[in-house]
Amino acid sequence: ETGVTQSPTHLIKTRGQQVTLRCSSQSGHNTVSWYQQALGQGPQFIFQYYREEENGRGNFPPRFSGLQFPNYSSELNVNALELDDSALYLCASSQTGTYGYTFGSGTRLTVV
Amino acid sequence: GIQVEQSPPDLILQEGANSTLRCNFSDSVNNLQWFHQNPWGQLINLFYIPSGTKQNGRLSATTVATERYSLLYISSSQTTDSGVYFCAVEGGGTGNQFYFGTGTSLTVIP
Repeated sequence: ETGVTQSPTHLIKTRGQQVTLRCSSQSGHNTVSWYQQALGQGPQFIFQYYREEENGRGNFPPRFSGLQFPNYSSELNVNALELDDSALYLCASSQTGTYGYTFGSGTRLTVV
Repeated sequence: GIQVEQSPPDLILQEGANSTLRCNFSDSVNNLQWFHQNPWGQLINLFYIPSGTKQNGRLSATTVATERYSLLYISSSQTTDSGVYFCAVEGGGTGNQFYFGTGTSLTVIP
């Protein structure tokens, strides 16, 4: 079975720009969650998608938005980038009704 | 949200030594997992352990849900055990999110 893949692995953007990060979920998983991990911190929940709809959101502003597609893959979009958005962005897939989460290796975003 | 505290924040061990990592959480949980973050950033699940004790090779974990803490034991540590260990919890009333601690950074030296 394939794991969770994220792209790109690294990205450098300028403050004010917009960015799209992508995540392919593990085969058999129908739910995708996104997390932001600042340097030296634990991951923080951004939001979760199930059946192509947002299914829970953490304490992040509306400029963080997402999509889930019929094949369960997902995108995270961040508008009007700020320096503090620099972080590792992790995607995790899971299957509803189970407790197994599979994380990808993340996208490291640097905002300059 | 649920507060998760991990200790110690940093740990340096000689290869072959044993260690205990602790996770305290502030509310009842229906899911507690321990993860190891490798140098490439990927979180690898070690245990799903909302209560009780589990063992997997040199690793074992115990969660005492009534006292709101969990322990991860690493025996006969190896250099490949180095990395950051995270405890993450999900609560029954907090939707579908994990709350992570700030992690324990483990360095095993040969």
